[in-house]
Amino acid sequence: GAVVSQHPSWVICKSGTSVKIECRSLDFQATTMFWYRQFPKQSLMLMATSNEGSKATYEQGVEKDKFLINHASLTLSTLTVTSAHPEDSSFYICSARGQGDSPLHFGNGTRLTVT
Amino acid sequence: AQTVTQSQPEMSVQEAETVTLSCTYDTSENNYYLFWYKQPPSRQMILVIRQEAYKQQNATENRFSVNFQKAAKSFSLKISDSQLGDTAMYFCAFIKVYNQGGKLIFGQGTELSVKP
Repeated sequence: GAVVSQHPSWVICKSGTSVKIECRSLDFQATTMFWYRQFPKQSLMLMATSNEGSKATYEQGVEKDKFLINHASLTLSTLTVTSAHPEDSSFYICSARGQGDSPLHFGNGTRLTVT
Repeated sequence: AQTVTQSQPEMSVQEAETVTLSCTYDTSENNYYLFWYKQPPSRQMILVIRQEAYKQQNATENRFSVNFQKAAKSFSLKISDSQLGDTAMYFCAFIKVYNQGGKLIFGQGTELSVKP
């Protein structure tokens, strides 16, 4: 079945630094990718939707200058958390889908800890 | 805007028994999909079952079945013969038809514990 690879699975960084998370579709072309954030015991909150070759669409309340999303190819989208702060510590999950009515596939998530 | 509501933050069930998780949603769309996802402690999102809104027949996947009431905008999940491995967070989710730029919206989740 279709696989989405998300890397890294966990990362610890210092406050003020930037962190990049990659989301790759391994065996299909992902026309759309979604980025979610999840706090412990809570639901997945959609942060932004990215379509290949165009600017991401951010949900209300999500800072686009802080959470940079790039979807440069049909198999790769990246989320960069810039100038990270402890409150950015969370679990980030990507999902991807191909064309038409194809289903969504999720990455395994990235646990970010900012110290 | 679409919303998904799960009113049961926590549920528990004895092994081998049946449990039903509730979900309601609000939308003005006529064509959409509904899903139940399972998230075990590993936090991997696992698709449990999917329902197309245009299908009247309730979806079934082995021990998992749904009760889809389109007019009432209700989409409950029934787990039969519960197993210890069913212990997880369960999320109900909605997406309008994909080719109209749909995005997957999740409910708050229900934490299910299956007790031996």
